[in-house]
Amino acid sequence: DTAVSQTPKYLVTQMGNDKSIKCEQNLGHDTMYWYKQDSKKFLKIMFSYNNKELIINETVPNRFSPKSPDKAHLNLHINSLELGDSAVYFCASRLAGGGRETQYFGPGTRLLVL
Amino acid sequence: GEDVEQSLFLSVREGDSSVINCTYTDSSSTYLYWYKQEPGAGLQLLTYIFSNMDMKQDQRLTVLLNKKDKHLSLRIADTQTGDSAIYFCADSGGSNYKLTFGKGTLLTVNP
Repeated sequence: DTAVSQTPKYLVTQMGNDKSIKCEQNLGHDTMYWYKQDSKKFLKIMFSYNNKELIINETVPNRFSPKSPDKAHLNLHINSLELGDSAVYFCASRLAGGGRETQYFGPGTRLLVL
Repeated sequence: GEDVEQSLFLSVREGDSSVINCTYTDSSSTYLYWYKQEPGAGLQLLTYIFSNMDMKQDQRLTVLLNKKDKHLSLRIADTQTGDSAIYFCADSGGSNYKLTFGKGTLLTVNP
């Protein structure tokens, strides 16, 4: 009954590899996000999808490609991984309406590029 | 661009009140948030306030918003050791409601 789930929780890989992170929300929300938290704990928006449509793309390298097969899923594929990609990647889902405007975060995927 | 600033560290004694301050620059922000992150964990939404409010209380948490000065604060009453964590202030600006986060305040509660 987890609201926002991500897989895998940990990912250790070599430089140059391609990897994917998956996110699913069972809240029925229309909008989902990817955020990146670096080693200094700074959090920054990367992408957002609303109902399978890309609405935010924040100057992220082309090696990062989000995909939303349906509004409950938002995946992140990363090509040619670099050392600087090591971070925690958080997925979030947005609840709006009825006087509420909140984002619920997944547990994060800890990516380490060696 | 939008900017959210907060002090990086706060240390209090157990039982005291903690006040974490935040300033933001985006005047179009309609909602402002406080998130808590414990070591190795994800982000937990603590509370949020709509921009036309100036105060919101939720049990031990009190949020104060001064929209004129673009200043937001989070007060935790009777701070406990379990409150030790990083607290992030965030604002939502624009039609896509992307969150802009501060750098986080590490709250340390000493017994």
